[in-house]
Amino acid sequence: AQTVTQSQPEMSVQEAETVTLSCTYDTSENNYYLFWYKQPPSRQMILVIRQEAYKQQNATENRFSVNFQKAAKSFSLKISDSQLGDTAMYFCAFMRGGGATNKLIFGTGTLLAVQP
Amino acid sequence: EAQVTQNPRYLITVTGKKLTVTCSQNMNHEYMSWYRQDPGLGLRQIYYSMNVEVTDKGDVPEGYKVSRKEKRNFPLILESPSPNQTSLYFCASSLSPGRDYGYTFGSGTRLTVV
Repeated sequence: AQTVTQSQPEMSVQEAETVTLSCTYDTSENNYYLFWYKQPPSRQMILVIRQEAYKQQNATENRFSVNFQKAAKSFSLKISDSQLGDTAMYFCAFMRGGGATNKLIFGTGTLLAVQP
Repeated sequence: EAQVTQNPRYLITVTGKKLTVTCSQNMNHEYMSWYRQDPGLGLRQIYYSMNVEVTDKGDVPEGYKVSRKEKRNFPLILESPSPNQTSLYFCASSLSPGRDYGYTFGSGTRLTVV
């Protein structure tokens, strides 16, 4: 069974600085997707970034980038130039490709606070 | 606007009183799913549906029922709610299973069972 581990329950960063959130996962699959979701206080689930396992290039979306280490089964999220609006819970998630369920397996989340 | 609509947003109920949380999507998505979110546990899948009249259990289905009579609707039914079902619930939909076409989440339902 696949598992996703986020070992940092809470983190804090100063505005304009860079922060990295950690995520590791366990799977025997070769075809899968990885995601970072943001959940602000409004509790809406917002997709931040996604990575397809067969792509070696790390995904980037503006200030957000990932460090995808497939062999180490690591998928960390880097937020550059942190902004107050980045304050949120961040969830790492895994989805097996080609499956029938499209089930997202989530980590336990990292609560990020951006300090002014 | 493409969206997943959940109702109600907040609900407080008493143990044993049947309730339904509605979920509707306007994107003609085949795949719909329910998750519950609990502190320290992340989100866990309750039930999913691959199309009309096709539903199956996720990881935590006990105490819940679902139905998919129409493509757009996927209600979550708690026949006899208990306090351990106090949680934040999300409905989500995707174009079809098997590939990542992207999930759209509803805005969540905060359920408290007393």
